[in-house]
Amino acid sequence: DARVTQTPRHKVTEMGQEVTMRCQPILGHNTVFWYRQTMMQGLELLAYFRNRAPLDDSGMPKDRFSAEMPDATLATLKIQPSEPRDSAVYFCASGLVSSGGRGRKQETQYFGPGTRLLVL
Amino acid sequence: AQKITQTQPGMFVQEKEAVTLDCTYDTSDPSYGLFWYKQPSSGEMIFLIYQGSYDQQNATEGRYSLNFQKARKSANLVISASQLGDSAMYFCAIQVGGGSNYKLTFGKGTLLTVNP
Repeated sequence: DARVTQTPRHKVTEMGQEVTMRCQPILGHNTVFWYRQTMMQGLELLAYFRNRAPLDDSGMPKDRFSAEMPDATLATLKIQPSEPRDSAVYFCASGLVSSGGRGRKQETQYFGPGTRLLVL
Repeated sequence: AQKITQTQPGMFVQEKEAVTLDCTYDTSDPSYGLFWYKQPSSGEMIFLIYQGSYDQQNATEGRYSLNFQKARKSANLVISASQLGDSAMYFCAIQVGGGSNYKLTFGKGTLLTVNP
């Protein structure tokens, strides 16, 4: 049963510290998404990659957040320096493109378990 | 821009009964897909069901079915024979267009509670 894995599952850190979250997409998936979930904002897309290339990171605060895919089996999301307002659950999802009706392609995203981040 | 509206912040249902969770969407693109995800209290997001805008029939996956009414722009999730384990947040999402853009736009979610 292939799954997206994320580490760490929980992280408590102090304001100003660097936080690195890691994601291993499902083998064979070529798209990776990073989301942030908070009670106030719901699910927000931060960034996504296809074939390891960044396609869109417009949802990500550029001054402190960075996302990379060093290889096809690893995606990272880094916050430096972290702030209390970054406290949230961060999800990674990987996608598989398939054919839908009338030649339309669709991509189902499969989510990891999330990293619950608390910045004090 | 596309938008998903889930008007029910919370729903209650008795075990073994059916429940419908509402979802309406707004998009001007004729090609789109609609997804439902379940998020139990443990936090993971679980893909449930997909409906394409060109699909002639309503999607079904086990106890889940999607009541797709294109003219009304609604894609309600129907859960038959509710179980206690169905208690969770449910999110509706839309994926518009295609090409290389497969971003999902999510609704705010509906919290379903199944009572014994």
